[in-house]
Amino acid sequence: TQTVSQSDAHVTVFEGDSVELRCNYSYGGSIYLSWYIQHHGHGLQFLLKYYSGNPVVQGVNGFEAEFSKSDSSFHLRKASVHWSDSAVYFCAVSAGSNNRIFFGDGTQLVVKP
Amino acid sequence: GALVYQYPRRTICKSGTSMRMECQAVGFQATSVAWYRQSPQKTFELIALSTVNSAIKYEQNFTQEKFPISHPNLSFSSMTVLNAYLEDRGLYLCGARAWGAGNTLYFGEGSRLIVV
Repeated sequence: TQTVSQSDAHVTVFEGDSVELRCNYSYGGSIYLSWYIQHHGHGLQFLLKYYSGNPVVQGVNGFEAEFSKSDSSFHLRKASVHWSDSAVYFCAVSAGSNNRIFFGDGTQLVVKP
Repeated sequence: GALVYQYPRRTICKSGTSMRMECQAVGFQATSVAWYRQSPQKTFELIALSTVNSAIKYEQNFTQEKFPISHPNLSFSSMTVLNAYLEDRGLYLCGARAWGAGNTLYFGEGSRLIVV
């Protein structure tokens, strides 16, 4: 069984700051990792994914994430946040392709002007 | 692009009644559809995974008797919450997987169930 953990429930930064949202997983096999964003009152929007290859993956709106097998992590980063990045971010994990996807508990990002 | 529409966006139902929600993939063929429930505390529970040419697989704590799902074709899925009670409230999200897109799910805006 795979699990995913997001250690920070809330992160507050100022506009223009860099931010890193943490995600750790536990699974020993081939793993599929992704990040989603949820704005208040809306559904989930796909940001980026990793399955194999370059451990640093680029997503929409300047987001990137880095896979680390040694740390069992897939942290999400952005170099300079905008107020519109305020949302809840969910890390998701599944065992390989075409399988069930499980979500972390989410990190609420607040970007202050 | 890949779009998923969910209907209705919001329903208020009396305790003990049922609610049916629909999910439609537009612009792509959905090889599988996953139904989730997001609690008021924002956590997600996977209800069931429906894959083309396979039986619908329900997760522990969710049953076909309570959450019957119909997946007649590659573009449409519906789920009903039967005999809804307070613990069933939340945002029900449908995620559809497109052919060739690996394990990426494209989600709709969700159907919010409020039970009174």
